[in-house]
Amino acid sequence: KAGVTQTPRYLIKTRGQQVTLSCSPISGHRSVSWYQQTPGQGLQFLFEYFSETQRNKGNFPGRFSGRQFSNSRSEMNVSTLELGDSALYLCASKVSGSANTGELFFGEGSRLTVL
Amino acid sequence: AQTVTQSQPEMSVQEAETVTLSCTYDTSESDYYLFWYKQPPSRQMILVIRQEAYKQQNATENRFSVNFQKAAKSFSLKISDSQLGDAAMYFCAYGTDSGYALNFGKGTSLLVTP
Repeated sequence: KAGVTQTPRYLIKTRGQQVTLSCSPISGHRSVSWYQQTPGQGLQFLFEYFSETQRNKGNFPGRFSGRQFSNSRSEMNVSTLELGDSALYLCASKVSGSANTGELFFGEGSRLTVL
Repeated sequence: AQTVTQSQPEMSVQEAETVTLSCTYDTSESDYYLFWYKQPPSRQMILVIRQEAYKQQNATENRFSVNFQKAAKSFSLKISDSQLGDAAMYFCAYGTDSGYALNFGKGTSLLVTP
């Protein structure tokens, strides 16, 4: 079974631009969540989607948004990029329902550099 | 809000030796999960070990074991017979069945020396 796939793996943007990151979860996983990882703040929760609905959102400005498609693939978008948005963005999926063990399965991440 | 604290930013261990990474958490819930995740340099984060709060028995996975002290809200990871491949950032995390996110500690960077 293929793991969580994130694209692109690396990207460089300039301040003021916008970026879209993509995540394909493990087949059968309907819950997808996104985390921002920085050296100073560690892993911070951005949002979680299940069946195309955002169920929870972390404490991030409205420039950060996301969505989930009917095939459970998810995208996140950051508009009006700031230098502080430079980070590793991690996507994770998990099993839902009675098989849920709480475990998140992570992708390799998308490393965003904002210049 | 549930918080997870890892008080050791960096740890070092010699190959074949044993090391213990510390984690404490704060919660008012009685039923929850605790995890240790490993993130090697520039590689994917993977689950090392998982503990359910209702289980009194400490979880064990080969060379990895935990010391779960529910009353003290402590969840330490012991790595026995350390190997060079154990070098990584280790994150302690907390979650619940009803929660949508895991709360992560800031991580402990483990260095393994020959």
